[in-house]
Amino acid sequence: EGQLVESGGGLVQPGGSLRLSCAVSGFTFSNSWMNWVRQAPGKGLVWVSRIGPDGTVRSYADSVKGRFTISRDNAKNTLYLQLNSVRAEDTALFHCVRELSGGFGPWGQGTLVTVSS
Amino acid sequence: QSALTQPPSASGSPGQSVTISCTGTSSDVGAYNFVSWYQHHPGKAPRLMIYEVTKGPSGVPDRFSGSKSGNTASLTVSGLQAEDEADYYCSSYAGSNTFVFGGGTKLTVL
Repeated sequence: EGQLVESGGGLVQPGGSLRLSCAVSGFTFSNSWMNWVRQAPGKGLVWVSRIGPDGTVRSYADSVKGRFTISRDNAKNTLYLQLNSVRAEDTALFHCVRELSGGFGPWGQGTLVTVSS
Repeated sequence: QSALTQPPSASGSPGQSVTISCTGTSSDVGAYNFVSWYQHHPGKAPRLMIYEVTKGPSGVPDRFSGSKSGNTASLTVSGLQAEDEADYYCSSYAGSNTFVFGGGTKLTVL
């Protein structure tokens, strides 16, 4: 089924930047649509961003458009999410997920981003 | 990109059936057969339970089933078991390469 391991989270000040990574194994990453989904503390799942297999198709939720950038390195089987101009409301556990037939799975455990001064 | 609407809570006794609804619009749930459902036990990674409205991934008990009518999708859990107690989320493709999730439903097994 595959394994996804996120990293790169941490404490960042409002207005700051952070790059999240997701190392993938167990499935053909280069053929897969990939997404980022986040969950703020005590809140529900929220879709953040999507990228096609070759990286040419990228899309974002309105709440992060212009601030976050999704990318991938198929040679390294790694997905990225660059977070810029972060806000307090970006505090969340960020999951990377493989998309197949409109469903998301498997999921990584997530990496926690905390935005605070 | 408004969230899909789910009831905040649902409950049932062991062995009973419970249905969780997920209401969207003609631009998401009503427009595409890419509705999926997720089980989330706190502290663990979410698990895909249903995709493409009705399909269950390998390993998911067939007690879990999905359906859709118009702008509303539903997840039914039959023969409730204690381990089914969790948060459940629906999701739908919303066009233009975007997705939307529901707010989540906390299922309690009484």
